[in-house]
Amino acid sequence: DAGVIQSPRHEVTEMGQEVTLRCKPISGHNSLFWYRQTMMRGLELLIYFNNNVPIDDSGMPEDRFSAKMPNASFSTLKIQPSEPRDSAVYFCASSLQGEQYFGPGTRLTVT
Amino acid sequence: AQSVTQLDSQVPVFEEAPVELRCNYSSSVSVYLFWYVQYPNQGLQLLLKYLSGSTLVKGINGFEAEFNKSQTSFHLRKPSVHISDTAEYFCAVSDLAGGFKTIFGAGTRLFVKA
Repeated sequence: DAGVIQSPRHEVTEMGQEVTLRCKPISGHNSLFWYRQTMMRGLELLIYFNNNVPIDDSGMPEDRFSAKMPNASFSTLKIQPSEPRDSAVYFCASSLQGEQYFGPGTRLTVT
Repeated sequence: AQSVTQLDSQVPVFEEAPVELRCNYSSSVSVYLFWYVQYPNQGLQLLLKYLSGSTLVKGINGFEAEFNKSQTSFHLRKPSVHISDTAEYFCAVSDLAGGFKTIFGAGTRLFVKA
């Protein structure tokens, strides 16, 4: 099993640009989580899906952030427009019954 | 609502000494409890989990944790640490009734010194 796959691993973009982060969960897992990690705020849950349906997006910081899960094997997190304060490591994790498996993360830098 | 409190932000310890990383949680429903470890520039990986049954759970790399329902604690222990155990450790609680929404603690940085 390849584990949770995230792309890109690193993204550097300019303020105002659109950024799309991608995640492929582990096959058979029915829950998917997006997290953001920074030194200042630690690990924050942004949104999670059960069976491709968004359950709780209360952690999404503002309308510039959106997430989709069109099928069981793919999810995206989009930031439009991006701002320097969005710079962080974004993790995707998938789960079957509580135990989460994390991807390697995408390090986003917005200049 | 659930919450997780990790009582120590940093724990320095000498190699081969024992260590305990403390975690307290609060929840109004039944939960699963987890400890994850994060090495530099990597994602989190599961150390151990408590779902039900025996309150003492053993995980990878010689770590163990004890679930104490009356004190709502889930402290992580290792009898003898190695330099390679230097990492960030996260306690987490997962809500069984809420689609397994998981709340993580702020993390404890374990620093093992030679």
